[in-house]
Amino acid sequence: DGGITQSPKYLFRKEGQNVTLSCEQNLNHDAMYWYRQDPGQGLRLIYYSQIVNDFQKGDIAEGYSVSREKKESFPLTVTSAQKNPTAFYLCASRGQGVSSYNSPLHFGNGTRLTVT
Amino acid sequence: GQSLEQPSEVTAVEGAIVQINCTYQTSGFYGLSWYQQHDGGAPTFLSYNALDGLEETGRFSSFLSRSDSYGYLLLQELQMKDSASYFCAVEDSGYALNFGKGTSLLVTP
Repeated sequence: DGGITQSPKYLFRKEGQNVTLSCEQNLNHDAMYWYRQDPGQGLRLIYYSQIVNDFQKGDIAEGYSVSREKKESFPLTVTSAQKNPTAFYLCASRGQGVSSYNSPLHFGNGTRLTVT
Repeated sequence: GQSLEQPSEVTAVEGAIVQINCTYQTSGFYGLSWYQQHDGGAPTFLSYNALDGLEETGRFSSFLSRSDSYGYLLLQELQMKDSASYFCAVEDSGYALNFGKGTSLLVTP
């Protein structure tokens, strides 16, 4: 079955450590996204990538980094510079080609990161 | 800048009809989408409106008025399993969706 896999489901880290969240998709989608969700805040865009080897900052990119070396993979690194990293992180993908904007987003099941 | 406004909470009775409104202010507009998210789960796509009017998909319908920067999601014949959060999202650049803060719907017996 095609879909998006995020791992792990729960992640615990000490403050000051970088941590990388995995996102893999086998939907052959060109565009991939990372959103952060906090209670009562909805989904906020961190980074997105339209094609391999290219990515753009979203609204809250500070303290995060990404790479897109393969079409299937879009890992997110939460660095020690992110002041409040504890949150629910959602990866999504959609569409094929440049006219994917009217295609729905397909989300992974998320990674809940807790930093203490 | 951009903003999307939707009610934070709505409560309705099983079998009833509920409408969740969304108003938006964006620099560009390519369409309004709705997503459903159950607690702790992944958001799932419900509907998309690029043009004015009503789109119907089973028990769910979505409406858009671009001149009023307004849309709504209509849920009919409510079921307990419809208790979830509902997000409106605007495509303002053609590259990424921007989401509202969500409406928590509670369906009671």
